[in-house]
Order: sequence, then C-alpha cells, then structure tokens
Amino acid sequence: KAGVTQTPRYLIKTRGQQVTLSCSPISGHRSVSWYQQTPGQGLQFLFEYFSETQRNKGNFPGRFSGRQFSNSRSEMNVSTLELGDSALYLCASSLTVSGANVLTFGAGSRLTVL
Amino acid sequence: GENVEQHPSTLSVQEGDSAVIKCTYSDSASNYFPWYKQELGKRPQLIIDIRSNVGEKKDQRIAVTLNKTAKHFSLHITETQPEDSAVYFCAASLADMRFGAGTRLTVKP
Repeated sequence: KAGVTQTPRYLIKTRGQQVTLSCSPISGHRSVSWYQQTPGQGLQFLFEYFSETQRNKGNFPGRFSGRQFSNSRSEMNVSTLELGDSALYLCASSLTVSGANVLTFGAGSRLTVL
Repeated sequence: GENVEQHPSTLSVQEGDSAVIKCTYSDSASNYFPWYKQELGKRPQLIIDIRSNVGEKKDQRIAVTLNKTAKHFSLHITETQPEDSAVYFCAASLADMRFGAGTRLTVKP
C-alpha cells in the first residue's frame, strides 16, 4: 500500500513569489491535513480537508490556502512568499479509527525562501 | 482551538535510564492523544496513542499515561537505547490534531 506522497520534495523560491505543494494521501483516506514545521516551533497546524471541504483551519494568514480534489489529493498554496515561510511542509492523511483521527505523514516539502 | 504544551524541550539520558516527557492540553473535550517520533531527516511516525477512556497504555518499553482531570499526559520510555534518540511530539485531538513543540531526546551510550 503506497504511503503519503508529497511533491516537490525540495524547492527554492524568492520573496514575493508563490508556491504550490501537492499531497497524495493513502488510498482510501479522505482526510488530509497540512502542517508547517520549523526548528523550535514544532508542528503548526495549517488546515484540514475532508471530502473536498476545509473542515478546520489553524492560525495562519490568508496567504496560506489549500484545496482538495475529488480523488482526495490536496494542494496547498502560499502567495507573496516571505523569508519566514521557509520551513518543512508536512502533509498527513488520516483514517478515523474508533473515533480517533490517526495521522500518517508524508516525507514533506522543504521550502526555502531567499 | 486546542493548545498543547510539552516539556522538557531537550532531554539527555544515559543508555539504560528512563525518560519521561510531559504534555498538557487545554480543551477538555479532546479525546485522542498520540505520540510521534521523528528521527533526523525523517517524517514523524506514530509510536503509541491513548484514547480518553483509558488511563494507561504500554507497548514494550514505552508507555503513556493520561490524567483527564488535570488535562495532562506523559510518555515513559524505559531502558533507553541510542536508537531512541529523536524528537518526540505529543498531540491532542478532537476535531483537528494539535502538536506540542517537541522534545529532543538524546540517549548517550
């Protein structure tokens, strides 16, 4: 069974540009969550999508957006990039097991903003 | 939303000693508490979890305890080994999953 696949794995952008990251969940998983990981800040929740609908959202500015397609694949977009957006962006797909949302993470997309 | 605090941020132990990492959460309605281990350069991996209707759970050398009244849960690793060295994250979930800031555990041989 294929795991969670994120593309691209690495990318470099300059301030002011925009970026789109992609996440393909485990087959059968309908929920996809996105997290930003920076040193010392842990995993900061961006948003969660379920059946093409944003179900929950973290405390990030409107420059961060996402969507989910009918095949459960998800994309997140960051517009007007800032230096502070440099981070590892992790996607996790999940299956609800006995009421618990069990997350499986992808390898991440490492974004560097120059 | 849920707020999770995790302590300590770094922990260094000798091989064979025990390690304890503690977390508190703010939303009393949270009902699922997983722990993830992230080795250097790798993705976070689920190592153990506990649901709100259980007070303690063990899996070989690792155990998790939950105190719902105090909104506090802990990870216990016994007989630590160098391969336990990693960053450990606690999390609490009701709707979405919120994580603590992480604990960098170093096990010295």
